[in-house]
Amino acid sequence: SQQGEEDPQALSIQEGENATMNCSYKTSINNLQWYRQNSGRGLVHLILIRSNEREKHSGRLRVTLDTSKKSSSLLITASRAADTASYFCATDYAGGTSYGKLTFGQGTILTVHP
Amino acid sequence: NAGVMQNPRHLVRRRGQEARLRCSPMKGHSHVYWYRQLPEEGLKFMVYLQKENIIDESGMPKERFSAEFPKEGPSILRIQQVVRGDSAAYFCASSPPSRTDTQYFGPGTRLTVL
Repeated sequence: SQQGEEDPQALSIQEGENATMNCSYKTSINNLQWYRQNSGRGLVHLILIRSNEREKHSGRLRVTLDTSKKSSSLLITASRAADTASYFCATDYAGGTSYGKLTFGQGTILTVHP
Repeated sequence: NAGVMQNPRHLVRRRGQEARLRCSPMKGHSHVYWYRQLPEEGLKFMVYLQKENIIDESGMPKERFSAEFPKEGPSILRIQQVVRGDSAAYFCASSPPSRTDTQYFGPGTRLTVL
């Protein structure tokens, strides 16, 4: 399997419910980031969590990082139809120079039904 | 402050033709990254450039692909003699020198090879 794998591959929920997506990676990292991509569009940066952080919040987003398990989760609370998108985690490998070369996972497709 | 600009947004080429994709980073950003996204997949790193220098091209196919970021003007990703397998979305991202851990993505160029 490859660096930065998300699960589930697809998630379908009702508006108002919480959505949780997970990401696993293989190497040591400087940081892990989550991005959103609406269909046919570019990526929007959501949140960055550094390797020495365990949890971070931004609005309705909550990200956790467990470096011992090499995993992260993204929680979107009180979801809205507008949250419908693909969500990607991306890791910045710690072994190279710290210039931000990102390795992306395959993504989770989130559908929020009104 | 305009975001990362990419043009064209859509590009159609016949097999054997050349494709030139342009990326103008955000103002003040001197680091540019190119990523490729195949259908239903995550983004794959291709190349990282600073002004007039290629820093890391480990993700670039060995043949037909080249990239530059001249002192003046946009960064260019050039694909010679395109084949159907080159059909993908190509995204450019930029970051400032002081914050390479946060990349700002452009809307992408969708290349279709007929």
